[in-house]
Amino acid sequence: DTGVSQDPRHKITKRGQNVTFRCDPISEHNRLYWYRQTLGQGPEFLTYFQNEAQLEKSRLLSDRFSAERPKGSFSTLEIQRTEQGDSAMYLCASSFSSSSDSPLHFGNGTRLTVT
Amino acid sequence: TQLLEQSPQFLSIQEGENLTVYCNSSSVFSSLQWYRQEPGEGPVLLVTVVTGGEVKKLKRLTFQFGDARKDSSLHITAAQPGDTGLYLCAQRWGGSYIPTFGRGTSLIVHP
Repeated sequence: DTGVSQDPRHKITKRGQNVTFRCDPISEHNRLYWYRQTLGQGPEFLTYFQNEAQLEKSRLLSDRFSAERPKGSFSTLEIQRTEQGDSAMYLCASSFSSSSDSPLHFGNGTRLTVT
Repeated sequence: TQLLEQSPQFLSIQEGENLTVYCNSSSVFSSLQWYRQEPGEGPVLLVTVVTGGEVKKLKRLTFQFGDARKDSSLHITAAQPGDTGLYLCAQRWGGSYIPTFGRGTSLIVHP
């Protein structure tokens, strides 16, 4: 299977702990996106990479959130000092930059629960 | 603020019924994408519509893009339980590479 994979699928953590999620995009895709989704809502944009460069971050993204894509392949999203409001599904998506209409291919997400 | 509004928010119907869901904005879309998301999975692209007035069909699904490119609809004929899921529309404004999603229509089709 050469789809987008995310790890872990589920993470339960206590408030105040740090967590890190990993995303492996489709290998030939140079664009990578992180979104967050809560129940009853559509995906909310967090950040975007083209190759290894982080080109955009949502203004809603707290300083506790950081993302990297060190070699332009896999990406990590770290949340420091987690809060209960961080509980959500974190979705990663990738696309190939043939045009701005290139579809996003999503992974199945990491569901984070902060207790 | 550029927003995508989807309606209805929830829809619960019986197998065999027809339904239509809508995606609207106050701004003109350059193009629009529809995705379906099943529980516990990521969204999967159904279609991209680009031209005002465009109609695309995907088996029992018919997608329409408004003439003014500010609205789109998805019509499902003879719904089946396998159509159950969250239907999302997404738009990139101003040639941005970052899609913005609506909050979706949650569809349940009962056998």
